[in-house]
Amino acid sequence: EVHLEESGGGLVKPGGSLRLSCAASGFTFSNAWMTWVRQAPGKGLEWVGRIKDRSQGATTDFAAPVRGRFTISRDDSKNTLFLQMNSLKSEDTAVYFCITSSRSCCYDDAFDLWGQGTMVTVSS
Amino acid sequence: QSALTQPASVSGSPGQSITISCTGTSSDVGGYNLVSWYQQHPGKAPKLIIYHVNDRPSGVSNRFSGSKSGNTASLTISGLQSEDEADYFCTSYTTGITLVVFGGGTKLTVL
Repeated sequence: EVHLEESGGGLVKPGGSLRLSCAASGFTFSNAWMTWVRQAPGKGLEWVGRIKDRSQGATTDFAAPVRGRFTISRDDSKNTLFLQMNSLKSEDTAVYFCITSSRSCCYDDAFDLWGQGTMVTVSS
Repeated sequence: QSALTQPASVSGSPGQSITISCTGTSSDVGGYNLVSWYQQHPGKAPKLIIYHVNDRPSGVSNRFSGSKSGNTASLTISGLQSEDEADYFCTSYTTGITLVVFGGGTKLTVL
């Protein structure tokens, strides 16, 4: 069974750091481009960033609000995706989801695999 | 403010059809046939119901259909059922630094 499970969320003070993890199973993680999106309380979803697979250089792209503060990495040996969040702001408060597509055609547009999300609260 | 514009809410009675619009620009919705729609029930992760404008993943009811005209995409749900009551949001691939843009979401109420 395909499964994505995020962890690592919690309460952090403004300016602080947090590292989220996403454990994947049931599909060939090493081939997948993985994406992070977030959803602030009562708001819509927002694309955060994406990492390609190693054959594509594991290159990353980020949304403007998080560029320079967030990094994405992957450990294919452990089927795990990471989101390192630094210099956190109150506006980063959201549920963070790791997502991907089961179809190689659609890694950047049709996300049929979602975790349940992990809540990040940035507050003093 | 979301990049793609959706109505905040729509409603319909069981058995009726409703349509939700998703308006973007020529840089996203109008420029690519890469519009997707998702259904999200409270407290749950979103579920992909339409991709590439009008394709359905396996297991998704054929009561859900998608279309696009210019910079506006639409999701139509026919034969409304109570379990269709949920939030629906659209996404599109886009040019520029942000690869994917989202709509703000539409709350569907089945009367």
